[in-house]
Amino acid sequence: AQSVTQPDIHITVSEGASLELRCNYSYGATPYLFWYVQSPGQGLQLLLKYFSGDTLVQGIKGFEAEFKRSQSSFNLRKPSVHWSDAAEYFCAVGSNNAGKSTFGDGTTLTVKP
Amino acid sequence: DVKVTQSSRYLVKRTGEKVFLECVQDMDHENMFWYRQDPGLGLRLIYFSYDVKMKEKGDIPEGYSVSREKKERFSLILESASTNQTSMYLCASSLAGARDTEAFFGQGTRLTVV
Repeated sequence: AQSVTQPDIHITVSEGASLELRCNYSYGATPYLFWYVQSPGQGLQLLLKYFSGDTLVQGIKGFEAEFKRSQSSFNLRKPSVHWSDAAEYFCAVGSNNAGKSTFGDGTTLTVKP
Repeated sequence: DVKVTQSSRYLVKRTGEKVFLECVQDMDHENMFWYRQDPGLGLRLIYFSYDVKMKEKGDIPEGYSVSREKKERFSLILESASTNQTSMYLCASSLAGARDTEAFFGQGTRLTVV
């Protein structure tokens, strides 16, 4: 069965600092991987996705993620965090049916001024 | 833009009431989903539907049922609400068949059962 682990429940970074959110997955075949962001009181919005090709994926809002098959990881990065990035971030691994994905428990990002 | 609209942002219901959560999408997506979101537990799939009148149980279907009479509308039903169903409920939709297709989410309904 597929699963996703986000080891960090809560991360605090200073505005302007770099960010890396960790995601590890378990999946039998080539995974379809997603990062979503959820601002307070909102639904989830897709940041980026990976399904094949270049292992470094660019997304919206200046985010990128790197797929590393050998480590079963898909970590999300941003070189310089803005206060508006404060939100909850979910990593997900997709099944044959998009949306019927398995989500991690989420990482809450706090940005210090 | 794809829009997934949930009929209520906040609901307060009494224990034992029958509760309907409604979701409508405007992009002709085949798939629709209901998730429940609780702190520290991520998103858990309650039910999903891949076509009109078709449904499949997710990971936590107990205490819930669903209805999809029209392609654009997917309803979640709590037959007899209980306090342990107090949660944030998220509806989502997606195209069928494409594994890399993302899910589009509504803004959520925060349900409190008292």
